[in-house]
Amino acid sequence: GAVVSQHPSWVICKSGTSVKIECRSLDFQATTMFWYRQFPKQSLMLMATSNEGSKATYEQGVEKDKFLINHASLTLSTLTVTSAHPEDSSFYICSAARPGTRTDTQYFGPGTRLTVL
Amino acid sequence: RKEVEQDPGPFNVPEGATVAFNCTYSNSASQSFFWYRQDCRKEPKLLMSVYSSGNEDGRFTAQLNRASQYISLLIRDSKLSDSATYLCVAMGEYNFNKFYFGSGTKLNVKP
Repeated sequence: GAVVSQHPSWVICKSGTSVKIECRSLDFQATTMFWYRQFPKQSLMLMATSNEGSKATYEQGVEKDKFLINHASLTLSTLTVTSAHPEDSSFYICSAARPGTRTDTQYFGPGTRLTVL
Repeated sequence: RKEVEQDPGPFNVPEGATVAFNCTYSNSASQSFFWYRQDCRKEPKLLMSVYSSGNEDGRFTAQLNRASQYISLLIRDSKLSDSATYLCVAMGEYNFNKFYFGSGTKLNVKP
């Protein structure tokens, strides 16, 4: 089946540093990937839609200058949390839409747990 | 108002019980609906899609009521392994793949 990986699976960083999270589709090319954030005991919230070769589309209330998304290839999207602060500590999950399937088929990565001290 | 709303639970049921969850969605233009299962500190995994005609997969039955804008999931003969959080999902505008998740309903199946 389709597999989406994320790296790192967890990261701890100091306040003010930037953290890059990678999302890879391992056995298919994904023109569209999605980034979600999940705080404890809360829902997954869509942050942005990442489109290969073009700018990401951000959801309302998500700062595009703080959460930089780059989708430079058909198998890789990156999310960079710039100048991270403790309130950015969360579970970040990506998903990839597999082309040629129903438009509603998404495959989720295992998530990255970010802790900002 | 949230796009998708669910009762957070927890639902504590004995093994073998039948349990049902509902969720409501606010956007009448939503095209597709799903139930996902999420285990603690893991990514969500697709349990089943929800179709207008309703669909069944083994012990799981999903129903969609567009008029009332709610989705349901019925689990029969609960197993201990069914313990998880069940996420209701509505997909946004057609051809755009945007998923809106509910906050999840926690199920605890006890021996």
